[in-house]
Amino acid sequence: KQEVTQIPAALSVPEGENLVLNCSFTDSAIYNLQWFRQDPGKGLTSLLLIQSSQREQTSGRLNASLDKSSGRSTLYIAASQPGDSATYLCAVPAAGGYQKVTFGTGTKLQVIP
Amino acid sequence: GAVVSQHPSWVICKSGTSVKIECRSLDFQATTMFWYRQFPKQSLMLMATSNEGSKATYEQGVEKDKFLINHASLTLSTLTVTSAHPEDSSFYICSAHRGEDEKLFFGSGTQLSVL
Repeated sequence: KQEVTQIPAALSVPEGENLVLNCSFTDSAIYNLQWFRQDPGKGLTSLLLIQSSQREQTSGRLNASLDKSSGRSTLYIAASQPGDSATYLCAVPAAGGYQKVTFGTGTKLQVIP
Repeated sequence: GAVVSQHPSWVICKSGTSVKIECRSLDFQATTMFWYRQFPKQSLMLMATSNEGSKATYEQGVEKDKFLINHASLTLSTLTVTSAHPEDSSFYICSAHRGEDEKLFFGSGTQLSVL
């Protein structure tokens, strides 16, 4: 059974800092890995998707990496802003596709102005 | 970007009544949609997989007669919570899978409170 863990569970940083969020998964037979953000009481917004054959993806100030062999992904946020405050989730579909998606436990980020 | 619309955003109902939640993919066709439940400060729990034109596949422990799912078109799936009870109070979120790039897009969620 796939297990997805995110560390840290919560993070508070001053505005402008660069930061790294971690996602670990136990079964390396994954279809891809997707990072989301969730604002309180809201749904999930897709940030980045990395295919199983890729090692990283970039979008603006965000960079996500994937190391299947070690079962890890990181989300790097550059020059953090108060608007980045949210809970960040990683999601891992099983190798067979999206029928079985396992979500991480989430990292709650607070960026202090 | 792709948008998934979920309605209503919140609903309060009396115990014993039924509540319908709609999930629409606005700019792409989704042959597969998913329904999740999220308890406070917890991650998402998959309830069921909704396939257009066929019966939904429910996860273990999810009562299919209580949580009725209909996926009548490529852009609409509905979740009906039948005979709701206070323990059904939760945050329900739908997602749609876009096949062309394998991305999941999520609705904004529905907060259900059963009195």
